Amino acid sequence: EAGVVQSPRYKIIEKKQPVAFWCNPISGHNTLYWYRQNLGQGPELLIRYENEEAVDDSQLPKDRFSAERLKGVDSTLKIQPAELGDSAVYLCASSLDMGAKNHEQYFGPGTRLTVT
Amino acid sequence: GEDVEQSLFLSVREGDSSVINCTYTDSSSTYLYWYKQEPGAGLQLLTYIFSNMDMKQDQRLTVLLNKKDKHLSLRIADTQTGDSAIYFCAVGGYYSSASKIIFGSGTRLSIRP
Repeated sequence: EAGVVQSPRYKIIEKKQPVAFWCNPISGHNTLYWYRQNLGQGPELLIRYENEEAVDDSQLPKDRFSAERLKGVDSTLKIQPAELGDSAVYLCASSLDMGAKNHEQYFGPGTRLTVT
Repeated sequence: GEDVEQSLFLSVREGDSSVINCTYTDSSSTYLYWYKQEPGAGLQLLTYIFSNMDMKQDQRLTVLLNKKDKHLSLRIADTQTGDSAIYFCAVGGYYSSASKIIFGSGTRLSIRP
């Protein structure tokens, strides 16, 4: 079974440019997460989807970040415009759902973003 | 708010046991996890324990939970070079009106020959 797929793996852009990351979760997983991992830190949740619905986006900087999961499968995370402080690894994860038996999250390899 | 603390580094000799420690602040945490991250890779779930358990063993891994002290540990028996990685402690539960997982900053485990 394929794991969580993310692309691109690496992205270098100049500040003020837009950038987008794509994630395809494990087949059948209803819950999808986007995390940001700064250097030397653990992941921090940006947004969580239950199917198509964003159920927790409290940590998403909405002035420049947006996300969508239109058909409840794959998802895109966008930053526009990017700032130097956005340099980080952006991780996507999925789980069956958030219920007691299905809470295990599976992570993709991440997209390493460098803003110059 | 919720906080998860870990020491940054641990160095052990190959073949010895490694013990990675973690403390957390929120007593309402329901699931407590250990993840492993190798260079350039995403996080891999190693094991987890429910808050109503004290211990869980899975092959070379032993998780101990002290709820009173809000202390979680991961013991890796017979540590091998392939165990070199960053290990993240994470706690899950219902915080600030939302279900979420809070991660520590990770412990980098290095293995000496």
